[in-house]
Parts: sequence; structure tokens; C-alpha cells
Amino acid sequence: EPEVTQTPSHQVTQMGQEVILRCVPISNHLYFYWYRQILGQKVEFLVSFYNNEISEKSEIFDDQFSVERPDGSNFTLKIRSTKLEDSAMYFCASSEWGEEHNEQFFGPGTRLTVL
Amino acid sequence: QKEVEQNSGPLSVPEGAIASLNCTYSDRVSQSFFWYRQYSGKSPELIMSIYSNGDKEDGRFTAQLNKASQYVSLLIRDSQPSDSATYLCAVKRAGNNRKLIWGLGTSLAVNP
Repeated sequence: EPEVTQTPSHQVTQMGQEVILRCVPISNHLYFYWYRQILGQKVEFLVSFYNNEISEKSEIFDDQFSVERPDGSNFTLKIRSTKLEDSAMYFCASSEWGEEHNEQFFGPGTRLTVL
Repeated sequence: QKEVEQNSGPLSVPEGAIASLNCTYSDRVSQSFFWYRQYSGKSPELIMSIYSNGDKEDGRFTAQLNKASQYVSLLIRDSQPSDSATYLCAVKRAGNNRKLIWGLGTSLAVNP
């Protein structure tokens, strides 16, 4: 069964450093998403991406964040200068184009720890 | 008012019993409703989606939606210890935006 994959599973970084989180969405899906979940808190939407551009972003997704689809399979989230409060699980998800109700399937996540 | 609310639990049921999980939402124009299961330290796993008023059954799971009351529930029949997890309710508004808005989740413990 096709699935979303994410690398790395765990990333430790120093405050102020740049990190890139990588995702490979399900191959026939055209909508991609990043969510994050701080320990003990709700899952929070960060950004959605379709047709090589951002279709929606949240207040969390400020200028420190960017997303890119560098090739036909990868989808990346970059945090330019990490802060302590960026420590969280980051989940990539994907859904099919044209599916009105938008079932989203999640990858296993990357645990980001900012020291 | 929180957008999506769930009782955090823990909800404890004996093995073989029916577990009932509830979710309310505040935005009347919400269109699509999803139940995800999340084991500790893992990612959300889609269990059920429901879009129309009434019941939708899939194996041991039944989702129920009442848009007039802005209420969605998940029933798990014949609960198993492996069902012990946090159950997340997620809601999508009508329109082109596709973001999911999440509840905090209800922790379920199924006791052997």
C-alpha cells in the first residue's frame, strides 16, 4: 500500500541553525501539507501546496519557513533559523487532486529538537 | 470557543465493550469530518471520514454525524487492547481551503 515517507526520523539542531525536513508524498497525490504537533498539544496546520505553489498557510508559517518541491518526488520544509519553540513533531501529508472531501494521509513524522 | 473540542479522557473500557468518542465543532460551514488514531509518538492514521448526516460503518468502527448539533462521534465495537490510543477528530471547512482543524484528542484505554 502506498505511503508517505519522511526523513530524517529525528533531527537535533542548535538554535539559529537551518534545518530541512524531507517528505516523499504518495505518488499520485497532488496536494501536499505540513503539520506540526508540539508535545501534548494539538496538531497544527502549517502550509498546503499544490501545483508548485503555496495554496494556504497559517500564522505559524512565517518568513522563517519555506517549502519546495525540488523534483518530481520530494517535498521539503525548511526552517531558516530555528528557535527553541520550533521543537515539535513535523508531519507531512498528501491527498489526491479533485477529491472533494480531501482525505489526507500522513507520514511517520520528523521529531525536531532545537537546543 | 474552541473550534474542535474533544473530551481528553482518559476513557477506559473493558475488552469487548463499545467505546464511544465524541467531538463537537464550532464552525457551521464545516464540510468534512475525519477520525484519526494516534499511538504515542507516532503519526495520525486515518480511520474514518464522514461527510453526510447519519451513520457510516467500516468494520468495527461507526462514525456518526449530526450537522444540526455540530457533533460527530466514533463508536468502536468489540474494543481490543490494540485500540488503546489517542483518537483525534479533524474538521475541514467548506470551500477551497484544505487545511484540517484538529481537536486535542481523546485517550482511550482498553483493558484486557
